[in-house]
Amino acid sequence: GDSVTQMEGPVTLSEEAFLTINCTYTATGYPSLFWYVQYPGEGLQLLLKATKADDKGSNKGFEATYRKETTSFHLEKGSVQVSDSAVYFCALRENFGNEKLTFGTGTRLTIIP
Amino acid sequence: DAGVTQSPTHLIKTRGQQVTLRCSPKSGHDTVSWYQQALGQGPQFIFQYYEEEERQRGNFPDRFSGHQFPNYSSELNVNALWLGDSALYLCASSLVHTDTNTEAFFGQGTRLTVV
Repeated sequence: GDSVTQMEGPVTLSEEAFLTINCTYTATGYPSLFWYVQYPGEGLQLLLKATKADDKGSNKGFEATYRKETTSFHLEKGSVQVSDSAVYFCALRENFGNEKLTFGTGTRLTIIP
Repeated sequence: DAGVTQSPTHLIKTRGQQVTLRCSPKSGHDTVSWYQQALGQGPQFIFQYYEEEERQRGNFPDRFSGHQFPNYSSELNVNALWLGDSALYLCASSLVHTDTNTEAFFGQGTRLTVV
């Protein structure tokens, strides 16, 4: 079945550091890929997405590129801020019309000033 | 636009009891999915409702059941609660298209504690 493997956390970085959170996936078809963010006490918010190979999703300075050859969708940001502290989830969704999301276990990111 | 709203926000139940959680989808959305998020884990898909029918189901026992109403709102029912059912329950809504994927919007969740 489908699965998502995320870089284990927690991750602690200093403000303005470069961020990479690794994500790889296993899927039978050609899934769409997502990064969701969860701030303390809140639900999930979509951060960015990519729907086909070589697409790059980007939002709020975060980027991720859909790499079919390595089945990866790593999240990057060039200069993190304290406000980026949250839990980040990589997820996939198979097929059109199939709304089910399969999530990784999440990576807790803490940015220190 | 109110977004996805869930109620209640917190709930404490005793083992063996039954619980009902509620979700109102984002305006214009017609599909509701439910997820269980245990502490420190990613959300796990429970089931999805569309046109008042269960459209897809994850690997959860029959103790977990649901319903969708004509106004697209939804309920999640869990019978015979176990301690292991303690989790954050997330509702997500989306709009089904036949040829495109749509973004799922999540509510803030209901924190269920079983004692």
